[in-house]
Amino acid sequence: GENVEQHPSTLSVQEGDSAVIKCTYSDSASNYFPWYKQELGKGPQLIIDIRSNVGEKKDQRIAVTLNKTAKHFSLHITETQPEDSAVYFCAASKGNTGNQFYFGTGTSLTVIP
Amino acid sequence: GAVVSQHPSWVICKSGTSVKIECRSLDFQATTMFWYRQFPKQSLMLMATSNEGSKATYEQGVEKDKFLINHASLTLSTLTVTSAHPEDSSFYICSAAPGTGGRYEQYFGPGTRLTVT
Repeated sequence: GENVEQHPSTLSVQEGDSAVIKCTYSDSASNYFPWYKQELGKGPQLIIDIRSNVGEKKDQRIAVTLNKTAKHFSLHITETQPEDSAVYFCAASKGNTGNQFYFGTGTSLTVIP
Repeated sequence: GAVVSQHPSWVICKSGTSVKIECRSLDFQATTMFWYRQFPKQSLMLMATSNEGSKATYEQGVEKDKFLINHASLTLSTLTVTSAHPEDSSFYICSAAPGTGGRYEQYFGPGTRLTVT
């Protein structure tokens, strides 16, 4: 089965700096990679995703990169703000309807004002 | 768009009673719904996958007779925790997948905090 590893487990950055979270996956058949943001006591919120037919995707301050050969993908947050503080989860999936998501262990991001 | 609701948001029940949690996709039809359990400071643990009108598929180690899942329509799935015990106390989260038009996303509900006393 798929195994997703996520690093670091905790990350603290100064407001305005960039944050990078990295994930690796093991199953080369995985082709859909979403990122979720979870605030305390709430459900995860989809913030960006990427499919294996592209190498990078951006949405304002958030970007995701994918290296299929190395089986790793990363979340990049630029110009961080205190409201970016949350737990971020990466996931991998084969992308078919109803296919299971395999989640990373999460990264707790703290943005220091 | 892509809003998923859960009800209740939190519930306290006595040991031995049953609790039902509802999950609704508000603005899309969900081919598949998923139920997760999350312990503090941990990742999401998939409990079961359900398709509308079909029996749910449970993950290994999840008791299907204890965690009853019904997916009655394309917008509603329910999780019933039967004969709840304190060890069932947890944060339960559902997600819904549109699954059509090449859409692979899962959209999560806000979660339900269950406390069994």
